[in-house]
Amino acid sequence: GENVEQHPSTLSVQEGDSAVIKCTYSDSASNYFPWYKQELGKRPQLIIDIRSNVGEKKDQRIAVTLNKTAKHFSLHITETQPEDSAVYFCCGDMRFGAGTRLTVKP
Amino acid sequence: DTGVSQDPRHKITKRGQNVTFRCDPISEHNRLYWYRQTLGQGPEFLTYFQNEAQLEKSRLLSDRFSAERPKGSFSTLEIQRTEQGDSAMYLCASSLLFSDGYTFGSGTRLTVV
Repeated sequence: GENVEQHPSTLSVQEGDSAVIKCTYSDSASNYFPWYKQELGKRPQLIIDIRSNVGEKKDQRIAVTLNKTAKHFSLHITETQPEDSAVYFCCGDMRFGAGTRLTVKP
Repeated sequence: DTGVSQDPRHKITKRGQNVTFRCDPISEHNRLYWYRQTLGQGPEFLTYFQNEAQLEKSRLLSDRFSAERPKGSFSTLEIQRTEQGDSAMYLCASSLLFSDGYTFGSGTRLTVV
């Protein structure tokens, strides 16, 4: 099965700065890569996704890029706000990364 | 509520007992997934269904775990002879297609004492 690695495990940024989270995957057949945000005590929620026929997708302050050749994909959050503080998970072929705890300091 | 429902929300059981959890997906979703999540970790894939067919089961899953989706609607996850290491949040999710994001339920928190 797929193996997804995610880094960094923790990320602290100042409000207004950008945050980047990176993931790599092992199965070249994987073609769908969603990202989830999980706040403390809550269920994971989909924030953005990308399919293998697309290299980049943007939704307001959030963007995801995919490099199929290198088998890695990244989440970019611009103009971070304190409410962006949460744990973010990448996913490939139903397998989740270990998560990145993002803290946005006001 | 048209989201994914899981029952019970919490379950405390003694080691060695069997437990069963239920998941009701969004009605039009034909794919259903089970995950296990422990504190500080990402959701760990257990199994998934396409309609009533169980198409993949994690190799990490012991034979004590079994899941069913008999009519392609709700699903049950049973753990036999529970062990303390089974204590975790069990999450169910559903999606319409493979390339759709999963909608998660609130989970069932299992504590084995």
